[in-house]
Amino acid sequence: DAKTTQPPSMDCAEGRAANLPCNHSTISGNEYVYWYRQIHSQGPQYIIHGLKNNETNEMASLIITEDRKSSTLILPHATLRDTAVYYCIVRVVHGSSNTGKLIFGQGTTLQVKP
Amino acid sequence: NAGVTQTPKFQVLKTGQSMTLQCAQDMNHEYMSWYRQDPGMGLRLIHYSVGAGITDQGEVPNGYNVSRSTTEDFPLRLLSAAPSQTSVYFCASAARAYNEQFFGPGTRLTVL
Repeated sequence: DAKTTQPPSMDCAEGRAANLPCNHSTISGNEYVYWYRQIHSQGPQYIIHGLKNNETNEMASLIITEDRKSSTLILPHATLRDTAVYYCIVRVVHGSSNTGKLIFGQGTTLQVKP
Repeated sequence: NAGVTQTPKFQVLKTGQSMTLQCAQDMNHEYMSWYRQDPGMGLRLIHYSVGAGITDQGEVPNGYNVSRSTTEDFPLRLLSAAPSQTSVYFCASAARAYNEQFFGPGTRLTVL
């Protein structure tokens, strides 16, 4: 699985969009980009994933660059409850040898401020 | 739909004691896994299962055993607890190994 690089911390004002970047320059063609978050030592929570097209769901949007070497998670209107550690994970999705393993790096600690 | 449940929430053991951390899911997921998270670190995979009767080792399996006799349950056994096993343990499940995973609330284990 490709490695990812994220800034260790970011701040965001409540109500503003939070844009969390992730670099994955060694990503392979069959690897997806996943985002999870962990709020205050709770279990990680799945947010969104994508292969090459931009994706949006009720929680966030995922923008993947055309060369797929980086991506940005966007929380459109951050609230105080979005304060968490955000993990960008690259993984192969299909295949009989898939272990399901998620490689969690250090992530980005997002602090949403009033 | 309770999702993924873990018991106990907290546990203190003495070195050398054994215990079982329980994990159950009610989503009929084939895939289940155990992770540990040490302070200030990301999660590391201990063991995983792609279906009842099938288990395999993850990244840090030493000192732990698992079994998967039913689809719903995936207990993690500590054979002889050591202080190095002090950690927070998370169980996760997914429909298949390649689907998004749902995590339980965690078990906080301290080994003295």
